[in-house]
Amino acid sequence: GAVVSQHPSRVICKSGTSVKIECRSLDFQATTMFWYRQFPKQSLMLMATSNEGSKATYEQGVEKDKFLINHASLTLSTLTVTSAHPEDSSFYICSARDQRGSGNEQFFGPGTRLTVL
Amino acid sequence: AQSVTQLGSHVSVSEGALVLLRCNYSSSVPPYLFWYVQYPNQGLQLLLKYTSAATLVKGINGFEAEFKKSETSFHLTKPSAHMSDAAEYFCAVTPLGGYQKVTFGTGTKLQVIP
Repeated sequence: GAVVSQHPSRVICKSGTSVKIECRSLDFQATTMFWYRQFPKQSLMLMATSNEGSKATYEQGVEKDKFLINHASLTLSTLTVTSAHPEDSSFYICSARDQRGSGNEQFFGPGTRLTVL
Repeated sequence: AQSVTQLGSHVSVSEGALVLLRCNYSSSVPPYLFWYVQYPNQGLQLLLKYTSAATLVKGINGFEAEFKKSETSFHLTKPSAHMSDAAEYFCAVTPLGGYQKVTFGTGTKLQVIP
């Protein structure tokens, strides 16, 4: 089946530093990937849609200069949290759409737990 | 516009009892509907999906869901709960056939009591 990986699974950083999270589709090509943020005991909030070879589409209220997304290849999208602050601490999950199949199904990565001190 | 409403943020059932997690959707166009499960500190795993074929959809781990257009519902059921079913469950919707974003419900945490 379609597998999506994320790296790292957990990261702790100091306030003011930048953190990069990678999302990879391992056995399929993904022209579209999605980045979500999930606060404790809450649902997933879509942050942005990442399109290979073009600029990401950000949801309303998401700062594009703070959450930099790069989708340089059909199997890799990266999310960089710039100048991280404690309020950026969250669980970040990516997903990739496998357009070979039907049903607009997204396959999710295992998530990255970001803690900003 | 599309949305899903999950009734009950927490559901408790006894081991061996019926599991019923409710999901109602709102969509201006025919929808695709999904149920995902999330275990602590993990990503989401697809349980099942409705893509306009059969209205009764069978998924993994013994779960199934029935699409009822008249009730705009897509409730998730399992005849007999196992301890391993304890997790967070999310219903999600996206427009039929289009490659658009998926909207998630707020989730239902299932507790299974031994």
